[in-house]
Amino acid sequence: ETGVTQTPRHLVMGMTNKKSLKCEQHLGHNAMYWYKQSAKKPLELMFVYSLEERVENNSVPSRFSPECPNSSHLFLHLHTLQPEDSALYLCASSQDREDRGADNEQFFGPGTRLTVL
Amino acid sequence: KNQVEQSPQSLIILEGKNCTLQCNYTVSPFSNLRWYKQDTGRGPVSLTIMTFSENTKSNGRYTATLDADTKQSSLHITASQLSDSASYICVVSVFNDYKLSFGAGTTVTVRA
Repeated sequence: ETGVTQTPRHLVMGMTNKKSLKCEQHLGHNAMYWYKQSAKKPLELMFVYSLEERVENNSVPSRFSPECPNSSHLFLHLHTLQPEDSALYLCASSQDREDRGADNEQFFGPGTRLTVL
Repeated sequence: KNQVEQSPQSLIILEGKNCTLQCNYTVSPFSNLRWYKQDTGRGPVSLTIMTFSENTKSNGRYTATLDADTKQSSLHITASQLSDSASYICVVSVFNDYKLSFGAGTTVTVRA
């Protein structure tokens, strides 16, 4: 596997279910991100981890709970979601957290298409 | 109001034709601007990156321009192919900050 992988690619869940999204990066990066992408809207940053420490929460509802057990893996635990949470959830990684010019590109995974019924 | 505005929201072009996408931003202090291509069901992939001192950058049939004075960028697609059908996202970075400012994207559909 290369780059950033995400599983599952598609997920349908009821509002009372508990599920988890998984992200793995094979790039040796130190920072990982969760984004929400809704139709025709800009990507919204949800969480940022740098060296396994959460550095940004960005006012995300508590029904979304991230976990970063090591620098290569990132999880997003989902509980009691609402239909408006249906979206594409993208994971990304970068060498470092801060942007220092052109070098710190964020590499994205393919995303998990989430549908909440 | 979003700090990165893209236009048009969508466009349809015939295979072999050219098109130009626009991006206006208000993000400051500016570090760099990237254009990403996002195929349906895939994550965004970087096409070009330009820093403050660069005003044009090419990647095959994709040519991006940047006017840092007017805070405008464009992405020109030459001799479009069916595989160019995708969403194109303009992303602006602030120096020494991890937060990116994303445009909502332009959806390009290339028809045979």
